[in-house]
Amino acid sequence: DQQVKQNSPSLSVQEGRISILNCDYTNSMFDYFLWYKKYPAEGPTFLISISSIKDKNEDGRFTVFLNKSAKHLSLHIVPSQPGDSAVYFCAASAPYGGSQGNLIFGKGTKLSVKP
Amino acid sequence: ETGVTQSPTHLIKTRGQQVTLRCSSQSGHNTVSWYQQALGQGPQFIFQYYREEENGRGNFPPRFSGLQFPNYSSELNVNALELDDSALYLCASSLTGVVYGYTFGSGTRLTVV
Repeated sequence: DQQVKQNSPSLSVQEGRISILNCDYTNSMFDYFLWYKKYPAEGPTFLISISSIKDKNEDGRFTVFLNKSAKHLSLHIVPSQPGDSAVYFCAASAPYGGSQGNLIFGKGTKLSVKP
Repeated sequence: ETGVTQSPTHLIKTRGQQVTLRCSSQSGHNTVSWYQQALGQGPQFIFQYYREEENGRGNFPPRFSGLQFPNYSSELNVNALELDDSALYLCASSLTGVVYGYTFGSGTRLTVV
C-alpha cells in the first residue's frame, strides 16, 4: 500500500509558466515532507522541504504548500525553466518505529519544460 | 567538500550470486542510508547505519545486509540474488536526525540475469 502517491507520471509545461506537481499521502504521522529532483544518471537532489506544522515554504522560484486536512502537498515552480526538466519525487519522513528517520518516496513525476 | 560516491556504477550478476556495493559518505556526515529504486518506482528504504550499527530497516529480507566502517563509509551486501533485485541502489549520507540533509550518490545500477 503506497503511503506517498504522485498520481501524475508526467507533466509538460511551457517555459515561463507555472509548474504544479502534486503529492498525496495517507499517514497522518508524517512529520516532514521533502521534494527531490533527479536527473538521469544522477542521484536525487534535495530541493525544498516543509514541516508538518507549516502550510507553506518558499525558496526562490520554488514553493511547497501543505494541506494537512486533505493530506496533500504541492510544489509550485514559477517561472519554469528548461533546466527544471527532471523527475521530481515527493518524500515523507517517518518518525516512528524501526524505520525512524527514513524517507518514503512517491513514484515521481517527470516534468518537461518546453522552450 | 566531497559528495557521496558509490562504486561500481554498473554491475551485472547472475541469479544466486552475491554482490557488494560500496558508498563513501559526504565529509562530516555520520549516517548512511541505502535505498533501492526499481524501474518506474520511487526509492525504497532498505536500512540505515549509524555508529556502525543498523539504525532502522525497511521491508527487505535478511539477505540484504550492510556494514558501516569507522570512517562512516558503508557497504550493502545482497546474497542469493534474484531477478527482482535488478534496480538502482542509492546511498545517502546525512547527519543523524536531519532528514532534510540527505545527500544522495549517483547510485549503482545492478542487473541480475
